[in-house]
Amino acid sequence: DVVMTQSPLSLPVPLGHPASISCRSSQSLVHSDGNTYLNWFQQRPGQSPRRLIYQISNRDSGVPDRFSGSGSDTYFTLRISRVEADDVGIYYCMQGTHWPPFTFGPGTKVDI
Amino acid sequence: EVHLLESGGGLVQPGGSLRVSCAASGFIFSNYAMSWVRQGPGKGLEWVSVISYSANTTYYADSAKGRFTISRDNSKNTLYLQMNNLRAEDTAVYYCAKAAGSGWSPDFWGQGTLVTVSS
Repeated sequence: DVVMTQSPLSLPVPLGHPASISCRSSQSLVHSDGNTYLNWFQQRPGQSPRRLIYQISNRDSGVPDRFSGSGSDTYFTLRISRVEADDVGIYYCMQGTHWPPFTFGPGTKVDI
Repeated sequence: EVHLLESGGGLVQPGGSLRVSCAASGFIFSNYAMSWVRQGPGKGLEWVSVISYSANTTYYADSAKGRFTISRDNSKNTLYLQMNNLRAEDTAVYYCAKAAGSGWSPDFWGQGTLVTVSS
């Protein structure tokens, strides 16, 4: 199975400052179809996860443009350009290239 | 608007069985693969199982193989997870999730239902 790791696991960020979360996979996430199926999910306190980013860098509908994704192969990054209070929560990366199983990173807790 | 509502969670003894359900609305249920993903108390996310749009194909995590069965009733827009021989480590919030587009990977999630396995 593909192992996903994230760093840091905890990220305190002042309001208005940028934040960056790294995600690494134990093998390349480039699919035979040429796409890379790496997604980012946000889980606010007491809520279910919500997908923010799919295929490395595509924002889902309604996701603010302060969120951006980048990376390739085995190394990926989620950036928040200016953290707002609404961004508090746990962020997970997930790979959908080599499945089953779909595998998630351990999560990064972002707080103010 | 997409809506997924899980139900059927509760307290069950080790070795017992439980079926959780997920009622879907706001999209053409029969066009999408569906997954179950769980989250233990204070823990991360663990994918459990996925079923194709037609119910012809299913996949399971190793932790679920032989004990859990995913199914769906497209006439009722409902997804199910039958869980047998439950263990304490199965205690978790169980989320159903709709797949993205024509793929299998989960995108939209329900609010979850809590399953507690304890004597």
